[in-house]
Amino acid sequence: EVQLVETGGGLIQPGGSLRLSCAASGFSVSSKYMSWVRQAPGKGLEWVSVIYSDGSTYYADSVKGRSTISRDNSKNTLYLQMNSLRAEDTAVYYCARDSSGWSWGYWGQGTLVTVSS
Amino acid sequence: QSALTQPASVSGSPGQSITISCTGTSSDVGGYNYVSWYQQHPGKAPKLMIYDVSNRPSGISNRFSGSKSGNTASLTISGLQAEDEADYYCSSYTSSGLDVFGTGTKVTVL
Repeated sequence: EVQLVETGGGLIQPGGSLRLSCAASGFSVSSKYMSWVRQAPGKGLEWVSVIYSDGSTYYADSVKGRSTISRDNSKNTLYLQMNSLRAEDTAVYYCARDSSGWSWGYWGQGTLVTVSS
Repeated sequence: QSALTQPASVSGSPGQSITISCTGTSSDVGGYNYVSWYQQHPGKAPKLMIYDVSNRPSGISNRFSGSKSGNTASLTISGLQAEDEADYYCSSYTSSGLDVFGTGTKVTVL
C-alpha cells in the first residue's frame, strides 16, 4: 500500500529555514514523480516543486531560489528545503506522487508551516 | 504560471447535474491531454477524480466525467449527492515543467 507521511512543519520566524520531509512506503521515491503542493489558509492549491524520476526539478516562481526539492533513496524520503521564509509561505504543505496517466493520485495528510514572528 | 480559471462556486439540487469549467491556454490545457480533477473536503488532502481529461481512477463513481474543448476542460457531476459537496480543482501539465492548478470551485448541494 502506498503511504506518504509529511513531517517538519511548525512555527518559524520570517527569514528562517525549514526542511519538510515526506516518508514514503509501498514504492521507491526514486522511480516515481514526486511533488510538493501547498495551500495557504482559506486559499487554493499551488504546485510548489516537482522532482521527476530522471532527477530533473522544477519550482514555482514564488519559491524559486529559496527552495530545494530532493530525495534520499536510502531513506525513501522526499524533502523540501525552504529558506528565507516569508509570511506568504504559511500553508499546509502536501507531498504527492504520480499515478495513472499524467496525474497525482497519492497524497500525504499535509504538514502546516506557519511563518510568523 | 498563472492559475487556470474556474468559477468560484457552482450549486445544484440532489439528483441534478452540474458542470465546472477550467480555462487555460495553449501552453497548458489546450496543448496537452493532461488535465486532471481533484476533490477536496475541508481539512482533507485532495483526491484524484479524473485524469488525462476523461479517465476515472479505480473506485471513482461514473457520476464524474471529464471532457475538453480547445483551452477549456470541464468536469460534470451527474446525479448530484450530498457527499459531492466539496472544493474541486483542475490541474494541467504545462510546457514549463511544473503543473498548474485551477482557482478552485466550491460545489454546494442545495
